[in-house]
Amino acid sequence: KQEVTQIPAALSVPEGENLVLNCSFTDSAIYNLQWFRQDPGKGLTSLLLIQSSQREQTSGRLNASLDKSSGRSTLYIAASQPGDSATYLCAVSPPGNMLTFGGGTRLMVKP
Amino acid sequence: ETGVTQSPTHLIKTRGQQVTLRCSSQSGHNTVSWYQQALGQGPQFIFQYYREEENGRGNFPPRFSGLQFPNYSSELNVNALELDDSALYLCASSNPWDRVPEAFFGQGTRLTVV
Repeated sequence: KQEVTQIPAALSVPEGENLVLNCSFTDSAIYNLQWFRQDPGKGLTSLLLIQSSQREQTSGRLNASLDKSSGRSTLYIAASQPGDSATYLCAVSPPGNMLTFGGGTRLMVKP
Repeated sequence: ETGVTQSPTHLIKTRGQQVTLRCSSQSGHNTVSWYQQALGQGPQFIFQYYREEENGRGNFPPRFSGLQFPNYSSELNVNALELDDSALYLCASSNPWDRVPEAFFGQGTRLTVV
């Protein structure tokens, strides 16, 4: 059974810092890994998707990497801003997009 | 291109009642998945529908059931509601034949069982 863990569970940083969120999974037979952002009480916004054949994806200040063999992914956020405050979730899936999520990292960026 | 929409946004039900939640998939998507997210936790997979058939199910009891319609919209039905069913219910749509089969989520339905 696939299990996904995210560390840290919560993070508070001053504005402008670069930061790294971690995601680990137990079964390396994944098809996709997706990072999502969730604002309080809201749905999920897809940030980045990495297919199993890829090692990283970038979008603006965000960079996500994937190491399937070690069962790890990281989300790097450069020059953090207060508007980045949210919960960040990673999820892995076999073919078919039945996602298994981690518990999330709650990020607070202080002005 | 329309996104994933869910209705209602909020709902309060009494223990033992039944509830139906609705989801319209994104244009061009034929697969709908439902997730339950308890407060402070990550979403848990309930089930998935592909071309009107259940295509996979998570660890949820049979009182959680669903439907998918020919236009690929979907319903989640929960019978005999329990207090622990209080959660945010999320719907996601995707198309497995897309070059990058990404899942897109709706805004969720907040269900409170009292």
